[in-house]
Amino acid sequence: ETGVTQSPTHLIKTRGQQVTLRCSSQSGHNTVSWYQQALGQGPQFIFQYYREEENGRGNFPPRFSGLQFPNYSSELNVNALELDDSALYLCASSSGTGIYEQYFGPGTRLTVT
Amino acid sequence: QKEVEQDPGPLSVPEGAIVSLNCTYSNSAFQYFMWYRQYSRKGPELLMYTYSSGNKEDGRFTAQVDKSSKYISLFIRDSQPSDSATYLCAMRTGGNTPLVFGKGTRLSVIA
Repeated sequence: ETGVTQSPTHLIKTRGQQVTLRCSSQSGHNTVSWYQQALGQGPQFIFQYYREEENGRGNFPPRFSGLQFPNYSSELNVNALELDDSALYLCASSSGTGIYEQYFGPGTRLTVT
Repeated sequence: QKEVEQDPGPLSVPEGAIVSLNCTYSNSAFQYFMWYRQYSRKGPELLMYTYSSGNKEDGRFTAQVDKSSKYISLFIRDSQPSDSATYLCAMRTGGNTPLVFGKGTRLSVIA
């Protein structure tokens, strides 16, 4: 059984650019959630996908968007990057029926200059 | 007022000490309570979870939830240098709802 993987590990972008982050769910998991963790803060919920449909969104602007694919892998897209978007972006997968078993990937560290 | 409050520390203790980590929360709808451990530059790892009020023990770790006081705790007995990490409390209202995290407490266990 493979765990949650994310790519890339880290990247540097310029303000105004666009970025795509990728996540592969743990085997058998059909729900993916994305979180943003700023330095020194706890993770903040961005949105969740269940069977390719967004079924929950946190307090993030529309320039944060996502996709989930038939194999339950997922993408997070951020347009018009701002300096405050610099953070660790975490992907977590769960079975959709588990009420607590949300497994996190190692994260992608995004730096916006 | 934030939904979940957690003292960020840092907390430094000698090896073998008992560590107490705490969170308070304001949303009485929270039903599921978790503790995650996060090592530097890694994703959070689920340590303990509790449903509603009560205690749960797993090896050196004990989680307590007091819903009447909106207060949760994690105790680590016989702390080890390998326990040095950031500990995040998290909670959710139910089902597969989003996790709401505290800021995390940075713990250092000194050998």
